[in-house]
Amino acid sequence: DAGVTQSPTHLIKTRGQHVTLRCSPISGHKSVSWYQQVLGQGPQFIFQYYEKEERGRGNFPDRFSARQFPNYSSELNVNALLLGDSALYLCASSSLDSGSPYEQYFGPGTRLTVT
Amino acid sequence: AQSVTQLGSHVSVSEGALVLLRCNYSSSVPPYLFWYVQYPNQGLQLLLKYTTGATLVKGINGFEAEFKKSETSFHLTKPSAHMSDAAEYFCAVGPFSGGYNKLIFGAGTRLAVHP
Repeated sequence: DAGVTQSPTHLIKTRGQHVTLRCSPISGHKSVSWYQQVLGQGPQFIFQYYEKEERGRGNFPDRFSARQFPNYSSELNVNALLLGDSALYLCASSSLDSGSPYEQYFGPGTRLTVT
Repeated sequence: AQSVTQLGSHVSVSEGALVLLRCNYSSSVPPYLFWYVQYPNQGLQLLLKYTTGATLVKGINGFEAEFKKSETSFHLTKPSAHMSDAAEYFCAVGPFSGGYNKLIFGAGTRLAVHP
């Protein structure tokens, strides 16, 4: 079975630009969460989506937005990029309604560098 | 509010020695606790979790952790370190109620294993 997939793997952007990161959850998982991991730190929660609705939002500015599609894949959008947005962006999926509902399975991440 | 503290940002052990990575948590509700491992340039892999029931939980790769409510701790151990255990380890607490599946991570402990 395929795990969580994320694209692209790496991305280099310039300050002020916007970026879209994509995530496909494990088949059957309906919840997707996004985390930001700055170098040398633990992941920080950005968003959670479940059944296409936002379930939670971390302490991030409105420049960060996300959505979930009918097939449960998700996009994370960041506008007006700042140097401080350089990080590894991790997507995690979980089922929430079967098996081990609260286990989160992480993708390999997208490494974003803002110059 | 929930929080996680990992004591020791770097731990170094000899191959074959005991591995002990410390994690203390703060939670106003019964916590679910997780340990994740991250290898260089990769996402997070779940090592083990505590939800309810038995307080000593076993995970993959010979790791185990014990939930001690009185000490608000969830330390990770492995009897005999292997070179392949060198990685970054994250303790996390969550989720919140109502399907709000947010994880709060500690800052991480980098484990080095030397011959």
